[in-house]
Amino acid sequence: DAGVIQSPRHEVTEMGQEVTLRCKPISGHDYLFWYRQTMMQGLELLVYFNNKAVMDDSGMPKDRFSAKMPNASFSTLKIQPSEPRDSAVYFCASRRPGQFYNEQFFGPGTRLTVL
Amino acid sequence: DAKTTQPTSMDCAEGRAANLPCNHSTISGNEYVYWYRQIHSQGPQYIIHGLKNNETNEMASLIITEDRKSSTLILPHATLRDTAVYYCIVRSNTGNQFYFGTGTSLTVIP
Repeated sequence: DAGVIQSPRHEVTEMGQEVTLRCKPISGHDYLFWYRQTMMQGLELLVYFNNKAVMDDSGMPKDRFSAKMPNASFSTLKIQPSEPRDSAVYFCASRRPGQFYNEQFFGPGTRLTVL
Repeated sequence: DAKTTQPTSMDCAEGRAANLPCNHSTISGNEYVYWYRQIHSQGPQYIIHGLKNNETNEMASLIITEDRKSSTLILPHATLRDTAVYYCIVRSNTGNQFYFGTGTSLTVIP
């Protein structure tokens, strides 16, 4: 199994630009999570999906962030317009259906730098 | 979900057992204890979880006190590759969110 795939691995952009982060979950997993990690805040959950539907996006700044999951094998996290404070590592994770205690599998992350 | 408290950092000699403590004094009956770790520049990795019984797998052992207010993750023979930040998380059986906290930075010393 290829694991959770994220792209790009690194992104450098200028303030005000649109940024799109991509995630491919593990095949057969029906939960998908987006996290953000910074030195100051640690690892924070932004949004998660179950069967492509948003279940909780309370951690996501809605004025500039949007998350979509158009099909079971692809999700995007978009930031428009980007700001320097959005600089962070963004992780995507997926979880298989069934028991609630199933582990989450994390991708390698996308390191975003907004200048 | 209950809050957890972990030491900020710990050292362990290579080959020795690493014992990482976690306090979760406000844990409720339906909440599980999870441990994840994050090696530098990688995504977090699941280690183990438990409810009230001690658990063991190929990576580690989890010891939960009888009152469930604290737990200890044991890496029986620490290697240099075990150097990472270890997160203790308490999560209910009705939630999907993980609150990672600040974790314990474990350094395994040669």
